[in-house]
Amino acid sequence: QKEVEQNSGPLSVPEGAIASLNCTYSDRGSQSFFWYRQYSGKSPELIMFIYSNGDKEDGRFTAQLNKASQYVSLLIRDSQPSDSATYLCAVKTRGNTPLVFGKGTRLSVIA
Amino acid sequence: EAGVTQSPTHLIKTRGQQATLRCSPISGHTSVYWYQQALGLGLQFLLWYDEGEERNRGNFPPRFSGRQFPNYSSELNVNALELEDSALYLCASSLYKMGQPQHFGDGTRLSIL
Repeated sequence: QKEVEQNSGPLSVPEGAIASLNCTYSDRGSQSFFWYRQYSGKSPELIMFIYSNGDKEDGRFTAQLNKASQYVSLLIRDSQPSDSATYLCAVKTRGNTPLVFGKGTRLSVIA
Repeated sequence: EAGVTQSPTHLIKTRGQQATLRCSPISGHTSVYWYQQALGLGLQFLLWYDEGEERNRGNFPPRFSGRQFPNYSSELNVNALELEDSALYLCASSLYKMGQPQHFGDGTRLSIL
């Protein structure tokens, strides 16, 4: 069973702080990694994707990938109350399979 | 560019009825995915279609079925509806190339009375 694990939270951070969200995956051959944001009652929205080891930055968001340790993380700088949502990690594993989603981490940014 | 569109937005059915949900992918996307998200739970993969063929199927009973049309739009059919089928049904599309991101529609909320 190919799995993607996330801490369910809630993760509470003060406004302006850095929020760090983590995700581990079981399939060492996984190739592509995605972060989605989902507000309550809404559909997931793609934030970032990363394919190679290292960091990838986009505005306030940074995705970090470490294939040797099989984890991927998302950093949100200068967190805002509007960032309060559930963050889903998704992984493309080997084979003809769709993305495997984690259950998500709920982030709460306190004003 | 139009995103993934789903219809209807809401659907109310009673036990034993049949439901049909529709999805139009982003232009140029050939893969369509269906997910079920029950209240407070994670995304459960249902079906994946590409080029009109079923590529993969999640752990759901056969009363969940679907198809993809030549224009790449798709429909999900759920027969013999049960109370526990009440959920948000999400459709996503992507290019077929391995590892491409999926983009989601707004979903259809199915309520079984």
